[in-house]
Parts: sequence; structure tokens; C-alpha cells
Amino acid sequence: EPEVTQTPSHQVTQMGQEVILRCVPISNHLYFYWYRQILGQKVEFLVSFYNNEISEKSEIFDDQFSVERPDGSNFTLKIRSTKLEDSAMYFCAILGSIGEAFFGQGTRLTVV
Amino acid sequence: SQQGEEDPQALSIQEGENATMNCSYKTSINNLQWYRQNSGRGLVHLILIRSNEREKHSGRLRVTLDTSKKSSSLLITASRAADTASYFCATDDTGNQFYFGTGTSLTVIP
Repeated sequence: EPEVTQTPSHQVTQMGQEVILRCVPISNHLYFYWYRQILGQKVEFLVSFYNNEISEKSEIFDDQFSVERPDGSNFTLKIRSTKLEDSAMYFCAILGSIGEAFFGQGTRLTVV
Repeated sequence: SQQGEEDPQALSIQEGENATMNCSYKTSINNLQWYRQNSGRGLVHLILIRSNEREKHSGRLRVTLDTSKKSSSLLITASRAADTASYFCATDDTGNQFYFGTGTSLTVIP
């Protein structure tokens, strides 16, 4: 099973601040995803990223969100001006060889 | 919406018993996957079943898929306390986007 590492594991930020969440897949993958899970709620799709471009994005993924793969390995999710409602677990995922998604352990973002 | 819905929302059983969780979805799928999530942790992939498959086994897990009813079930046999977690189904269409259900919270009592 491919390993996906996310950093940091927990981020506390003040409302209005920018945060960058990082994802490092151990092996080469072309397809990446970001999902989020607000406490006690379902896992929600944010964005998919294929071959260094956004493939699909949800309504949640508005202008305050952006994704990058700056150095060919790290995959980042940036939230420009955080809001209280952005508090959630954010999961990075990669697409496996048979169509399964492998998720990282998540970053818990707390906006205060 | 493609999102799956699991049933029941919560399930409590004794260790050694079997646990069955169901998932229903709304539109055509490529495949359906089941994930486990321990409290506050990441999602662990359990098993994938393709739309042309009806049943699949992996260890103590058995998954069925009925595309005519747009439903799937996950059976965990001989449950253990370590199986206590939330279980989610996830479907995808041709867009490779995964849609998760609301999950079933399973508690296995030692």
C-alpha cells in the first residue's frame, strides 16, 4: 500500500491567516486529491489534481483555496484567508493502481 | 448527488459476532470501496469491488454489490474489539472523484 505523509498533523491558526497543508506521497503518482472532514460529518471532496493541473473541484473549493505541486513531489493545499468554518481534518489521497484511493493520516486544522 | 448512505448509523455488537453494514448510492458507478476510520485518524482502504463484480472477500471481510438495487454490504465476521471504528463506503464514477457516505459507527464490545 502506498504511503502518504501529511504535515503538519495539527495546525492552529488565527482567522484570516494563510495556511499551507502538505502531502508527500512516497512513490510517483499522477493523481492526487484533497478531501476534508468537518468534525462528525462526512468526508467531502475538495479537488483532484492530475498531471500538475486541477482536474475537478467542488463548490467548496472556492477562490481562497489553491493547490500546487511545487517541486514534483510535495503536493500542497493553501487556504489564503482562513475562516472559522475551515476548521476540519484535511486529507490528501492518491489514486492506486486499481482505482482505489489511499489516504494520508490527515491534518487537523483549527481556526481560532 | 452520487454520495452513498450507510445504514445503520451506529452498530454495537459483542466480540465474536458478525457485523453487517449497508451502503446505498444513487447513480451509476465504476467501483465501490469501503474504508475504516478510527477516531480522529485517517481513512484506511479495506476493499474495492468493481461494478461488474457481485461479491468479494478479504480476510474476515466480505463485500457484496447489487448494482440493480444500487447497494452494497460489508460483512465483518468474528468481530474483534480492534474492529471498533467508523466504516464508510465510497463510490466513483468515470471522473475518478470519490463520494463518501455518512458512515456507520461500529462498536465491538469485548
